[in-house]
Amino acid sequence: EIVLTQSPGTLSLSPGERATLSCRASQSVGTNHLAWYQHKPGQPPRLLIYGGYNRATGIPDRFSGSGSGTDFTLTISSLEPEDFVVYYCQYYGQTFGQGTKVEVK
Amino acid sequence: EVQLVESGGGLVQPGGSLRLSCAASGFTFSAYWMTWVRQAPGKGLEFVANIKKDGTYKVYVDSVRGRFTISRDNAENSLFLQMDGLRAEDTAVYYCARDVTFAIDSWGQGTLVSVST
Repeated sequence: EIVLTQSPGTLSLSPGERATLSCRASQSVGTNHLAWYQHKPGQPPRLLIYGGYNRATGIPDRFSGSGSGTDFTLTISSLEPEDFVVYYCQYYGQTFGQGTKVEVK
Repeated sequence: EVQLVESGGGLVQPGGSLRLSCAASGFTFSAYWMTWVRQAPGKGLEFVANIKKDGTYKVYVDSVRGRFTISRDNAENSLFLQMDGLRAEDTAVYYCARDVTFAIDSWGQGTLVSVST
């Protein structure tokens, strides 16, 4: 069973800064199998990245995904006020990581 | 426009049962795998179960296997989750979701299930 570990648990940054979120798998996984979601309170999650690096429809280009094997990264190049929420990685459309909260410093 | 609307949540005692439903519209329901995901209060997202397009293959998270049953009615564009033997730790918002290749691209608004005396 694949386990996804996200780090850090909380990331404290200021608007305009670059955010780097990590997702580590317990064993090597296919890049095609890795997705990232954004989750705002009171709303359903939103797909950001699928297949490791493909932006979903309507997702701004400040969001990018990278990585392979066991180490994957979601990068937000310049944080907007609406980006300060929780992010999850997911493997194979099933297992989720525990989430990273991006908060205002 | 893709729409997924859950119903059937509520308050139930431990050991009880609930059946969640999800009405799908705006897409060819029978062409997609479908998934249930939940979020317990103060916790992260958790995959619960998913089901193949034709209903012939199902996957469950270990914690619900044998207690929950996912099913679908492609003629009625509906997804279901029969939940038996409910426990306090099943308390969560349950989301109906549409699968695309190894990701979930559409979500319902969720329905709250509370298991308590």
